[in-house]
Amino acid sequence: GEDVEQSLFLSVREGDSSVINCTYTDSSSTYLYWYKQEPGAGLQLLTYIFSNMDMKQDQRLTVLLNKKDKHLSLRIADTQTGDSAIYFCAERVDGGSQGNLIFGKGTKLSVKP
Amino acid sequence: DTEVTQTPKHLVMGMTNKKSLKCEQHMGHRAMYWYKQKAKKPPELMFVYSYEKLSINESVPSRFSPECPNSSLLNLHLHALQPEDSALYLCASRRQRSINEKLFFGSGTQLSVL
Repeated sequence: GEDVEQSLFLSVREGDSSVINCTYTDSSSTYLYWYKQEPGAGLQLLTYIFSNMDMKQDQRLTVLLNKKDKHLSLRIADTQTGDSAIYFCAERVDGGSQGNLIFGKGTKLSVKP
Repeated sequence: DTEVTQTPKHLVMGMTNKKSLKCEQHMGHRAMYWYKQKAKKPPELMFVYSYEKLSINESVPSRFSPECPNSSLLNLHLHALQPEDSALYLCASRRQRSINEKLFFGSGTQLSVL
């Protein structure tokens, strides 16, 4: 079955880089996503990567995908206190053409000034 | 307009009440979703509507009743809920016309059942 695993907590200092890791099990995943959720709020799509890519950069965000190891990471450069949130990794599984997302449990990022 | 709008933002209801959650998008998306998110947990899929037809019901209890009156609106009718149903209810939508699609989420309705 599908499963997405993430470490639960990460603490960094302001200005440092943050790296949030994720592993998934379904090799048929087409897209992999990173969502950000601030307390009491909905999910904000940060970035995504297609499964035939190995890297995608978008301003301070860099996504690395190792398809062989089914490992995805999100690097946030120059982390700011406003980046404190829970970050969810999600894989899109296209069974039944519904494109449903399977979420990890989320990594809580704390940024210390 | 690139938003998924959910109302109300907060809702407190008793176990005998009937209430409805609303979700609206004007992006022309033809797939709409309801997710439930308990505190400190990832979202869990409840229902999927595809072209206004219910295509997935993830074994959700009948006290939750979804409705998709048109391609822009998605409702979730609530009746006789239990305290354990207290959660953040998230609506999402996606275009469903090409493979390069993203799921857009609303900011959610925080539901408390007393």
